[in-house]
Amino acid sequence: KQEVTQIPAALSVPEGENLVLNCSFTDSAIYNLQWFRQDPGKGLTSLLLIQSSQREQTSGRLNASLDKSSGRSTLYIAASQPGDSATYLCAVAGGGNKLTFGTGTQLKVEL
Amino acid sequence: GAVVSQHPSRVICKSGTSVKIECRSLDFQATTMFWYRQFPKQSLMLMATSNEGSKATYEQGVEKDKFLINHASLTLSTLTVTSAHPEDSSFYICSAPGTIAVSNNSPLHFGNGTRLTVT
Repeated sequence: KQEVTQIPAALSVPEGENLVLNCSFTDSAIYNLQWFRQDPGKGLTSLLLIQSSQREQTSGRLNASLDKSSGRSTLYIAASQPGDSATYLCAVAGGGNKLTFGTGTQLKVEL
Repeated sequence: GAVVSQHPSRVICKSGTSVKIECRSLDFQATTMFWYRQFPKQSLMLMATSNEGSKATYEQGVEKDKFLINHASLTLSTLTVTSAHPEDSSFYICSAPGTIAVSNNSPLHFGNGTRLTVT
């Protein structure tokens, strides 16, 4: 059974800092890995999707890497802003597009 | 981009009543939709896969008679929580692949979720 772990569970940083969120998964037989953002009481916003054959994806200030063999992914956020405050979830896709989610990292970027 | 609309966003009901949650794909068709549940401070857990025109597929431990799923058209799936109890209080969220032919790499679009509170 796939298990996804995210570290740290919570993170508070000053504005402007670069930061890294970590995600690890136990079964490397995945089709893709996705990073989502969830604001309190809201649904999910897709940030980046990395196919299993890819090593990284970039979108603006976000960069996600994938090392499938070691079961790890990182989300790098450059020059963090207060608007980045949210919970960040990683999820791995098994067969049939079923996602297994991590428990999330709650990020707070302070002024 | 593809939009998934979920309604209602919040619902409070009394114990023993049933609640229906709708999930619509607004500008694309979805033969498959996924229903997730999220308890406070926990991650999303897949409950079931809704299949248009056929029975839903439930994950282990999810009671199919309690969580009724109907996928009557290519744009609408409904989840009915029957005889709701306080322990059913949770955040329910649906998603749909952006392509009608579900591949293992279809981008998934999520609704905004429904906060259910059972008193």
